[in-house]
Amino acid sequence: AQTVTQSQPEMSVQEAETVTLSCTYDTSESDYYLFWYKQPPSRQMILVIRQEAYKQQNATENRFSVNFQKAAKSFSLKISDSQLGDAAMYFCAYRSAVGTYKYIFGTGTRLKVLA
Amino acid sequence: EAQVTQNPRYLITVTGKKLTVTCSQNMNHEYMSWYRQDPGLGLRQIYYSMNVEVTDKGDVPEGYKVSRKEKRNFPLILESPSPNQTSLYFCASSSLGRGRNNQPQHFGDGTRLSIL
Repeated sequence: AQTVTQSQPEMSVQEAETVTLSCTYDTSESDYYLFWYKQPPSRQMILVIRQEAYKQQNATENRFSVNFQKAAKSFSLKISDSQLGDAAMYFCAYRSAVGTYKYIFGTGTRLKVLA
Repeated sequence: EAQVTQNPRYLITVTGKKLTVTCSQNMNHEYMSWYRQDPGLGLRQIYYSMNVEVTDKGDVPEGYKVSRKEKRNFPLILESPSPNQTSLYFCASSSLGRGRNNQPQHFGDGTRLSIL
């Protein structure tokens, strides 16, 4: 069975600085999708970025980028120029690309942004 | 406006009293799913559906039922709620896409359930 691990329950970053959130996963599949979701205090779930496993190029979305290391099964999220609005819970998630449409989420990392 | 609507947003009820949380989407999505979120455990998938009359178990289906009679609706039913089902529940939907064209999930605003 697939698993997703976020080993950092909480992280802090100074405003305008860069922070990296870690995510590792375990799977025997070769084709899958990975996601980072943001959950602010409003508790909405907002998609931040996604990565297809077959793509070698790391995904980027404005200040958000990932470091996808397929062999190491690692999928970290880098937030550049951190803003107060980035403070939230961040979840890493996995979904197989074939067969089942089950999603597996990590336990989350709470990011605090210090002014 | 594209959205996933859950009702109610908050509910406090007692053990054993059947309840239904409704979920409706207006995007003609084939895929719908229910999750529960608990502190320290992240989101765990309860059930999902890939189309009308097609449902599958997620990781934590015990104590829950779902049905998908219409494409837009995917209600979550707790036949005999217990205190360990106190949680924050999310409904989500997405189109299935084609081939490798993966479509992201749209989430509802969540339902806070307290079972006393």
